[in-house]
Amino acid sequence: EPEVTQTPSHQVTQMGQEVILRCVPISNHLYFYWYRQILGQKVEFLVSFYNNEISEKSEIFDDQFSVERPDGSNFTLKIRSTKLEDSAMYFCATKGSGQISYEQYFGPGTRLTVT
Amino acid sequence: AQSVAQPEDQVNVAEGNPLTVKCTYSVSGNPYLFWYVQYPNRGLQFLLKYITGDNLVKGSYGFEAEFNKSQTSFHLKKPSALVSDSALYFCAVRGFYSSASKIIFGSGTRLSIRP
Repeated sequence: EPEVTQTPSHQVTQMGQEVILRCVPISNHLYFYWYRQILGQKVEFLVSFYNNEISEKSEIFDDQFSVERPDGSNFTLKIRSTKLEDSAMYFCATKGSGQISYEQYFGPGTRLTVT
Repeated sequence: AQSVAQPEDQVNVAEGNPLTVKCTYSVSGNPYLFWYVQYPNRGLQFLLKYITGDNLVKGSYGFEAEFNKSQTSFHLKKPSALVSDSALYFCAVRGFYSSASKIIFGSGTRLSIRP
């Protein structure tokens, strides 16, 4: 069964450094999302991406965050200057298009630790 | 605004007994409702969804959920619990109006099945 993959599984970085989290969507999916889950808290929406542009973003997704599909397959989340409070599990999700595609499929996540 | 409430942080059930994990929602228009499960150190796994039609929907691993419009609820159920069902369960809602719409998650309910 096709699945969403994410790399790396765990990233440790120092405050102020840039990080790039990568996601490989399910083939032929057209909608892409990033969510995050701070330890012990609920899963929070960050951004949705469709047709090579951001569809919606949350308050969390400020100027330090950006997303892109650099090569038409990978979907990346970049945090320009990480803060301690960015430490969380980051999940990529993808969704197909059409009338029968409603659920989002999640990757295994990248645990980001900012020290 | 869309929201989801899971009133129980934890549900404890003996193996073989029926289980219910509660969820209520608030959304404009018709809701798209989902249940996801998260095993330790893993991503979110889709269990089932309600889009339209039959109020009782069946999903993976013998789980089912009942949509109740008047009570704005979407409780997750299973007739006979297994120890392997122990995990964190998230109810989620998506608004009707945009295919790219984000999913809003509840705070999660930890299900613990004792042998």
